[in-house]
Amino acid sequence: DAGITQSPRHKVTETGTPVTLRCHQTENHRYMYWYRQDPGHGLRLIHYSYGVKDTDKGEVSDGYSVSRSKTEDFLLTLESATSSQTSVYFCAISLTSAGIYEQYFGPGTRLTVT
Amino acid sequence: SQQGEEDPQALSIQEGENATMNCSYKTSINNLQWYRQNSGRGLVHLILIRSNEREKHSGRLRVTLDTSKKSSSLLITASRAADTASYFCATPQGGSEKLVFGKGTKLTVNP
Repeated sequence: DAGITQSPRHKVTETGTPVTLRCHQTENHRYMYWYRQDPGHGLRLIHYSYGVKDTDKGEVSDGYSVSRSKTEDFLLTLESATSSQTSVYFCAISLTSAGIYEQYFGPGTRLTVT
Repeated sequence: SQQGEEDPQALSIQEGENATMNCSYKTSINNLQWYRQNSGRGLVHLILIRSNEREKHSGRLRVTLDTSKKSSSLLITASRAADTASYFCATPQGGSEKLVFGKGTKLTVNP
């Protein structure tokens, strides 16, 4: 699992509440990613980071923000959760070699917004 | 935006049979990767094929890449019940540090 943990693993929250998901890695990987996975949509990139304080938007970034103040932690925040953000969220890191990036995933966080 | 699309969406076979999944993509790439996801788990990297390779093997996995047709196939030989999972292809998008995943093929191997 490339030393990636996610917390919490499961969360139920109410519409309108803020939620923060944490991704932690132990091996000083530069690149980190947040995805969401929904039936019929596959895996979609929300945000990614290419270093401390360096982040960029992915395909479905609306309603989400991220922060990376330390190499090992990449936080995903839903400022005001909506039911459409009910999903399974995966964090990933990249291992790179000769310009090719392979991704390794955490175990996921199942978020339900009621 | 979806880059890779797997086909079929679902596949059900008997143990011992071979399973073939296909992936089509839209733009030029320097590599294509296949991942497996067991139910309720994160994706696991299976195999990577570079654009200058046509075929690659890893154990019971065989991957082919046809850059002229922008397509790849994943063959699992002598399948086992433990191969039951969803399989995704992934290709680089823009800067190669980002991957775009297809929607996956759900493989069921019946004992």
